Amino acid sequence: DIQLTQSPSFLSASVGDRVTITCRASQGISSYLAWYQQKPGKAPKLLIYAASTLQSGVPSRFSGSGSGTEFTLTISSLQPEDFATYYCQQLNSYPFFGGGTKVEIK
Amino acid sequence: EVQLVESGGGLVQPGGSLRLSCSASGFTFSSYAMHWVRQAPGKGLEYVSAISSNGGSTYYADSVKGRFTISRDNSKNTLYLQMSSLRAEDTAVYYCVKSLVGATYFDYWGQGTLVTVSS
Repeated sequence: DIQLTQSPSFLSASVGDRVTITCRASQGISSYLAWYQQKPGKAPKLLIYAASTLQSGVPSRFSGSGSGTEFTLTISSLQPEDFATYYCQQLNSYPFFGGGTKVEIK
Repeated sequence: EVQLVESGGGLVQPGGSLRLSCSASGFTFSSYAMHWVRQAPGKGLEYVSAISSNGGSTYYADSVKGRFTISRDNSKNTLYLQMSSLRAEDTAVYYCVKSLVGATYFDYWGQGTLVTVSS
């Protein structure tokens, strides 16, 4: 199985900050990676797929990059509604998720 | 508008059984693979099971293999998860999830249904 390790697991940031979350795969997964946002009590929401493709309706302040074993999710200017937990997901074998990164207000 | 509505969750004793249902609308259900993903209280996301668009192919996580059965009725636009020999560690919110065409990226999620396994 391919393991995904997200870092950091917890992040404290202010509105307007540039935020970067990293997801590392235990084996190369090409660009078969997605990012999800989950707010408390809600279902996850697809933000980015195929490592860098923005899902329809997702604000352009979200971007993804990377291939192989290292990927990043970047929020260019953190907004109040972006405080949430973010998960990466790989598809190279069956889909599995990273452990999550919680973004909280500083 | 795509809608996925789960039902069937509740409190069940260890060793018991439960069947979850997911009613789908707003898309051609029979054209898409469907999935179940769960989340234990305060924990991360765990992929549980998948079924191909025609029901001919299924997948189960090791943690549920032999105990859970995924199925679908394309005439009713409904996805099912039959859960048996339930354990305390199966306690979670169970999400019904639709994937993009041709790739297991999850573009639509239901609201989730809570399954609690406890005596």
